[in-house]
Amino acid sequence: AQSVTQLGSHVSVSEGALVLLRCNYSSSVPPYLFWYVQYPNQGLQLLLKYTTGATLVKGINGFEAEFKKSETSFHLTKPSAHMSDAAEYFCAVKTQGGSEKLVFGKGMKLTVNP
Amino acid sequence: GAVVSQHPSWVICKSGTSVKIECRSLDFQATTMFWYRQFPKQSLMLMATSNEGSKATYEQGVEKDKFLINHASLTLSTLTVTSAHPEDSSFYICSVMGGSSSYNEQFFGPGTRLTVL
Repeated sequence: AQSVTQLGSHVSVSEGALVLLRCNYSSSVPPYLFWYVQYPNQGLQLLLKYTTGATLVKGINGFEAEFKKSETSFHLTKPSAHMSDAAEYFCAVKTQGGSEKLVFGKGMKLTVNP
Repeated sequence: GAVVSQHPSWVICKSGTSVKIECRSLDFQATTMFWYRQFPKQSLMLMATSNEGSKATYEQGVEKDKFLINHASLTLSTLTVTSAHPEDSSFYICSVMGGSSSYNEQFFGPGTRLTVL
């Protein structure tokens, strides 16, 4: 069975600082990997996704993530945090060619301090 | 990406009543729709998957007689919470899949906040 681990629940950074949100997955077959952002009382918006090909994936709002198979990781980064990045971030996994279900991590709340 | 709407965006109801939540795919045909619930400060938990014209497939532990899902068309799915109780209070989010997406991406609605008094 697939699973996603997002250690911790809250990350706080200063505006302009590096953002690093960690995600590790477990999947017996090649995965599709996703990062979503959720603003308060809203649905989820796709930031980026890894399907096949290049392991460094660039998304919206300056975010990127790198798929590292050997580490079963898909960490999300942004070089310089902006106040508007404050939100909840979810990592999710889906099996290639398998069920269409997305399995989500617990989420990580990002706070950006001025 | 697809535009997904949910109605209502929030609803307050009395215990014992039923509430219907609509999920609409506005600009493409959604062959599959998903319903999630999210408790405060927690992740999304998949409740059920529905394909147009078929019965929904419910996740383990989700009562199908309590959470009625109808996916009558390629643009509309409804979730009815029957005989709602305070423990059903939650944020309900739908997502849709289909159209021309190569990797079967899910597109999410804005969510519906249900409060049962």
